[in-house]
Amino acid sequence: DVKVTQSSRYLVKRTGEKVFLECVQDMDHENMFWYRQDPGLGLRLIYFSYDVKMKEKGDIPEGYSVSREKKERFSLILESASTNQTSMYLCATRGWHPSTNYGYTFGSGTRLTVV
Amino acid sequence: QKEVEQNSGPLSVPEGAIASLNCTYSDRGSQSFFWYRQYSGKSPELIMSIYSNGDKEDGRFTAQLNKASQYVSLLIRDSQPSDSATYLCAVNTGNQFYFGTGTSLTVIP
Repeated sequence: DVKVTQSSRYLVKRTGEKVFLECVQDMDHENMFWYRQDPGLGLRLIYFSYDVKMKEKGDIPEGYSVSREKKERFSLILESASTNQTSMYLCATRGWHPSTNYGYTFGSGTRLTVV
Repeated sequence: QKEVEQNSGPLSVPEGAIASLNCTYSDRGSQSFFWYRQYSGKSPELIMSIYSNGDKEDGRFTAQLNKASQYVSLLIRDSQPSDSATYLCAVNTGNQFYFGTGTSLTVIP
């Protein structure tokens, strides 16, 4: 069974902390994405990567950065957490797989609360 | 205009009925279309994909695509309470992937 694994299901962090969200996939997909999801706003793309060492800004990159040192791992970094970054964070991959065609496969999500 | 539009609902149907979920998209060049189901507090999971005009059936689910009218729909036959979730429509256009904001479905026992 293919997997996209996010390291934490729930996180509580303090304002100003540097926060790392990790995502690991075993699907051998080049394309990886970070989204946040908020009620009424849907999925919003933060950053994506089409290859190792490569990163591109999505629609809402401010306050975030990413790292992709290996193909299977894509990390999202909140440089200085703020309360408006409280959200559900979803990692996803995209590539060919018989169960998904070229659709996205999502990780289980990280519910981040910044206090 | 948003790339992908869905009625946010909520949509309520009685158990055993047909639930019909609709999605419109703006780019005529869109090539592939996906439906995801998302339970409360969980991540989206793919339930259907469709690439060609017409219907595609998978168990109780049928995806319908009409490229001329730029809409894609999802029918759920014999709806069950376990189908209660938010359904996201997603459209692939070139290298871009666009999600709708989702339709909330409640199946009433």
